Parts: sequence; structure tokens; C-alpha cells
Amino acid sequence: GDSVTQMEGPVTLSEEAFLTINCTYTATGYPSLFWYVQYPGEGLQLLLKATKADDKGSNKGFEATYRKETTSFHLEKGSVQVSDSAVYFCALSDSLQGGSEKLVFGKGTKLTVNP
Amino acid sequence: SAVISQKPSRDICQRGTSLTIQCQVDSQVTMMFWYRQQPGQSLTLIATANQGSEATYESGFVIDKFPISRPNLTFSTLTVSNMSPEDSSIYLCSVGDRGQQPQHFGDGTRLSIL
Repeated sequence: GDSVTQMEGPVTLSEEAFLTINCTYTATGYPSLFWYVQYPGEGLQLLLKATKADDKGSNKGFEATYRKETTSFHLEKGSVQVSDSAVYFCALSDSLQGGSEKLVFGKGTKLTVNP
Repeated sequence: SAVISQKPSRDICQRGTSLTIQCQVDSQVTMMFWYRQQPGQSLTLIATANQGSEATYESGFVIDKFPISRPNLTFSTLTVSNMSPEDSSIYLCSVGDRGQQPQHFGDGTRLSIL
């Protein structure tokens, strides 16, 4: 079945540091890929998405590129802020899997940014 | 994007009791899902709530434990039955439209069982 493997955390960075969180996937079809963010005590918010190979999703300074050849969707940000401290989830949706369009999530990576 | 309201936002319950969680959306949506997030873990899909018919459950989840209703295109409920401490989790509702992504999530219900 479909799966998402995400870089284990926690990750601790200083403000203005460069961030990479690795994400690779396994899917039988042509999935859409997502990064969701969960701030402390809150639900999930969509951060960015990409629906086909070579698409780049971007939002709030975060970027991720859908790489079909390496089955990856790594999250990057050039300069993190304290307010970026949260848990980040990589996820895929493979509509060819029974048409349910359910999301399959990675385990999540906790990011802490120190001032 | 759709505005999703979940109630209650949190609760502390006694072992053996049941709790019903509500999910209300401000617009009609095709798909409604229920996820569980156990402490420090990722999200796992419990079931897809189907309007006017029985929910579709994922492997490891059964209707007797997690009965779901979806009477219309804007509302669904999830009941956690005969609760035990292992049911302590965040339960999240998400919505989407068939053929379109992404799904959007409510803020979740934080449930603790004593």
C-alpha cells in the first residue's frame, strides 16, 4: 500500500537557519503530495501542495518540489523564525487507490526554533 | 476554504462511557473523514463518512467501536464507544470534494480517558 517516510525529529534550529525536512513516498498511482503543519494545541493546516511531477508548492517562505524520479517531496525554508515552531506532516493522496482520496501521513517532524 | 467546527474541543471521560463528537462545515462537501492522532503519533484514518449510507471503515476500526453518522452534506458525528485509556487521542474531522485536493481539517477534539 501507499506509504510516506518522513525525517525523524525532533529538529532544533536557531532563528534564521536553513531548514530541510526530508520526505519520500511509495505509491502505486500518481499521488498528490502535501505538507501540513500543526501548531501547538491546534489542528492541521495545509502548508503547501503539489499535484504532479516537477510541481513546486510554496507558501510562507516554505517550498517543496515533487520529484518523481526520487519519489521525494522535501520541505525547505531559507530562514526559519520562532513562529515556525510546530509539527510538520508530509502526506499523500492517491485517488487511484479505490477512489477514496484518503490521506496517508508520515510520522511528523517536530521543529523547534530558538531565538 | 471551508470552515470546519468541531465540538467538543476537549473532554475528559470515564472508562466505559461513550462520547459523540460533532463536525459541522459551513458549506456542502462531498467527502468527510475522521482521523485519530494518538499522543506523539501521526494521523490514522478511521473512516470515510458517507452521506446517506454506512461509513467506510479502515482496517483495524469497526462500526461498533466508532459509529459514524452523516445525515447531510455539512454535518457528521463520530462516537467513541466503551472508552478505555487507549482511546485517549486527538480526533480530527476533515473535509474535501471528490476530485479536488486538499482536505481541510478542523481543530480536533482532545480526548482523555481516566
